[in-house]
Amino acid sequence: DIQMTQSPSSLSASVGDRVTITCRASQGISNYLAWYQQKPGKVPKLLIYAASTLQSGVPSRFSGSGSGTDFTLTISSLQPEDVATYYCQKYNSAPPGLTFGGGTKVEIK
Amino acid sequence: QVQLVQSGAEVKKPGASVKVSCKASGYTFTSYGISWVRQAPGQGLEWMGWISAYNGNTNYAQKLQGRVTMTTDTSTSTAYMELRSLRSDDTAVYYCARDWTTVTSVCGYWGQGTLVTVSS
Repeated sequence: DIQMTQSPSSLSASVGDRVTITCRASQGISNYLAWYQQKPGKVPKLLIYAASTLQSGVPSRFSGSGSGTDFTLTISSLQPEDVATYYCQKYNSAPPGLTFGGGTKVEIK
Repeated sequence: QVQLVQSGAEVKKPGASVKVSCKASGYTFTSYGISWVRQAPGQGLEWMGWISAYNGNTNYAQKLQGRVTMTTDTSTSTAYMELRSLRSDDTAVYYCARDWTTVTSVCGYWGQGTLVTVSS
């Protein structure tokens, strides 16, 4: 099974800072990588799929990049409403098998 | 609009089974697959498996093979997840989630979650 490893597991940054979260797959997954945001006590929300495609309505300060085994989620200017845990997820088809990373908790300093 | 409404919280004893439902509306049920994801208290997200609402094909996480069964009822646009031989570490919030598109199996729409507590 492909394993997904996120780093760091948590971070604290100031409002306006650029924040970068990395996700590494144990095998190449092309661009079959999604990012989710889960605010405290809330249901997860899809932010990005196909490694870099922003879901409709997601602020443009969020971006994703990468292919193969190494991926990045970037928040260009951290806002208070971005406090959440972020998860990467690999996905594939025929039949779909999904694996989540361990999560990265983002807090405001 | 797409909605997934899950059944209510459950309390079960170790060794029992639980069946959680997920009623879909706002789209053609048979056109999209459904994943089930769980989250233990204070822990991360764990994918449990996926079912095609079109033909009932399933793919289960290896860890849960033999204990989990996912089904759908197309007449009521409802997906079900049954977990057997419950243990205390099965205590979690269980979510259903619909594929984002007909060809992209990411979890685009989520149910509100169902808390399952396993306790003697």
